[in-house]
Amino acid sequence: QSVVIQPHSASGTPGQRVTISCSGSSSNIGGNYVYWYQQVPGTAPKLLIYGDNQRPSGVPDRFSVSKSGTSVSLAISGLRSEDEAEYYCASWDDTLTNVVFGGGTKLTVL
Amino acid sequence: QVQLVESGGSVVQPGGSLRLSCAGSGFSFSSFGIHWVRYAPGKGLEWVAVISSDGTKKFYADSVKGRFTISRDNSRNTLSLQLNSLRGDDTALYYCARSWGHCLGGQCYPNDWGQGTLVTVAS
Repeated sequence: QSVVIQPHSASGTPGQRVTISCSGSSSNIGGNYVYWYQQVPGTAPKLLIYGDNQRPSGVPDRFSVSKSGTSVSLAISGLRSEDEAEYYCASWDDTLTNVVFGGGTKLTVL
Repeated sequence: QVQLVESGGSVVQPGGSLRLSCAGSGFSFSSFGIHWVRYAPGKGLEWVAVISSDGTKKFYADSVKGRFTISRDNSRNTLSLQLNSLRGDDTALYYCARSWGHCLGGQCYPNDWGQGTLVTVAS
């Protein structure tokens, strides 16, 4: 059981807006940055969001993040078929002195 | 461009040992902390360890502490992970991933990823 909790799955139709939640504690999300990664099956993870809400070059602004206390949500607007992937949140945990990943959310584009 | 290439994965028996390597290129290797992260289908991503840019700071996941050792050779632009006392639940694709800082005080994250090397623990 991960110390950072994500829903196992999410889904939406093309053009829709979907959100993926990530819940932790004061020792991780509540006190440190949250990063998001996208992993398309059979490929390496790709950094999607860093420093809570910053997008690396090349990541479209359809991806956005909101954070409140010990929870954070990734929103994907204008859903596209290529967004179908596994999404992971991650944060540094001060108690464990570890990076902690959420269990991952499989996003299906219907 | 930044490139990370892992190698050394193979099939190994429970209780055995293995050494993974990660060769970095396209950046100043000695200026960045580097992580190992593993992926097992059905289990997701699991962070394994990180080493600071100068090799003086190392952090490990509890699941591997005492069994795995992370090290680096900045003169050869190479990161290593020594895996001992391997168990079935260590079976995974192992990625190395560069941080964007030195990772001297923890609080650093994997940003640029390699393609992974597969470790299978089975008899």
